[in-house]
Amino acid sequence: AQSVTQLDSHVSVSEGTPVLLRCNYSSSYSPSLFWYVQHPNKGLQLLLKYTSAATLVKGINGFEAEFKKSETSFHLTKPSAHMSDAAEYFCVVSVWGGATNKLIFGTGTLLAVQP
Amino acid sequence: DVKVTQSSRYLVKRTGEKVFLECVQDMDHENMFWYRQDPGLGLRLIYFSYDVKMKEKGDIPEGYSVSREKKERFSLILESASTNQTSMYLCASSGDGGASYEQYFGPGTRLTVT
Repeated sequence: AQSVTQLDSHVSVSEGTPVLLRCNYSSSYSPSLFWYVQHPNKGLQLLLKYTSAATLVKGINGFEAEFKKSETSFHLTKPSAHMSDAAEYFCVVSVWGGATNKLIFGTGTLLAVQP
Repeated sequence: DVKVTQSSRYLVKRTGEKVFLECVQDMDHENMFWYRQDPGLGLRLIYFSYDVKMKEKGDIPEGYSVSREKKERFSLILESASTNQTSMYLCASSGDGGASYEQYFGPGTRLTVT
């Protein structure tokens, strides 16, 4: 069965320092992977997606993720954190649900950005 | 821009009440989804629909039902609300673009059952 595991439930960084949010996936074939972000009291917004075209995927707001098949990882990074990056981040894998594709969510990583 | 709207941001209901949560999307998407979100558990799929009047159970369908009479509207029904259904409910929609097609989410309804 396909799944994703987010390795940290909470990450705290200082403004201006790099961000690393870790995600490992389990899949029997080449997966479609996503990162979504949820700001407080807001809906989920797509940050970026991997669909096998390129292993390094660039998203919105300076975020990027690298698909590493050998490590079954899809970690999210940003060179320099901004206060507005404080949010909850979800790593997601797409699976076939029998009639359409479904999303399987990780348990989320809450990112805090300290001034 | 895709827009997914949900009928209420906050809802308070009593145990045993029948509860309706409504979701509308404006992008002519074939697929619509209902999730619940709980701290530490991420989002879990309750039901989804891939066409009008068609529905499939997700991972946690117990205590819920759904209705899709029109393509743009997908309703989640709590037949007899219980306190363990207190949660954030999120609706999403997607087109028929295969595994890489992302879902678009509404703002959520925070339901409290007392």
